[in-house]
Amino acid sequence: AQKITQTQPGMFVQEKEAVTLDCTYDTSDPSYGLFWYKQPSSGEMIFLIYQGSYDQQNATEGRYSLNFQKARKSANLVISASQLGDSAMYFCAMREDSNYQLIWGAGTKLIIKP
Amino acid sequence: EAGVAQSPRYKIIEKRQSVAFWCNPISGHATLYWYQQILGQGPKLLIQFQNNGVVDDSQLPKDRFSAERLKGVDSTLKIQPAKLEDSAVYLCASSLARLGQQYGYTFGSGTRLTVV
Repeated sequence: AQKITQTQPGMFVQEKEAVTLDCTYDTSDPSYGLFWYKQPSSGEMIFLIYQGSYDQQNATEGRYSLNFQKARKSANLVISASQLGDSAMYFCAMREDSNYQLIWGAGTKLIIKP
Repeated sequence: EAGVAQSPRYKIIEKRQSVAFWCNPISGHATLYWYQQILGQGPKLLIQFQNNGVVDDSQLPKDRFSAERLKGVDSTLKIQPAKLEDSAVYLCASSLARLGQQYGYTFGSGTRLTVV
């Protein structure tokens, strides 16, 4: 069964608009972490934001915020005021603390239109 | 702090040839990972080291892939012989400990392998 699901293969968004990238996960481990990474066309994997399963508040990092809904097992990434440089692949990943491995979604290709 | 270093950046080889990739993790990072990322997909873990010991290599095709991390610092990943389906980006990542820290895993720039 898929442990990380990203249902949006691709998205087009107008510059300066906010965008939400969806991620749902499946785990029975009570302790886990959720990550979002950005991968530009150059190939490097850039860490954006992290949410721990026991964190009470949603994580925020600059223009990035994570909409964590534990009961629904969703961890959507919100990018406010999108910029042309945000065009990239975005991956959601989960680490179950029982094995410390990152499990990855298939990614969402985000294209920001000027 | 220096990042995760990988080389080469690009490699083109013919099928049945051998190839090796090198990774130098962030100083002090005990855990090192090799991932294979095929175009259009998320990364797939090939092998995870804790210091110089293997934690998980269940998805490593051991008939052709091998990896080592001598002295618990840098690591090499080898493919011998290569197949067309090995064409992918090979990403190396490191983290402080098995307990992934809040800031997770730091990735290198990757090696883009093309097998022709």
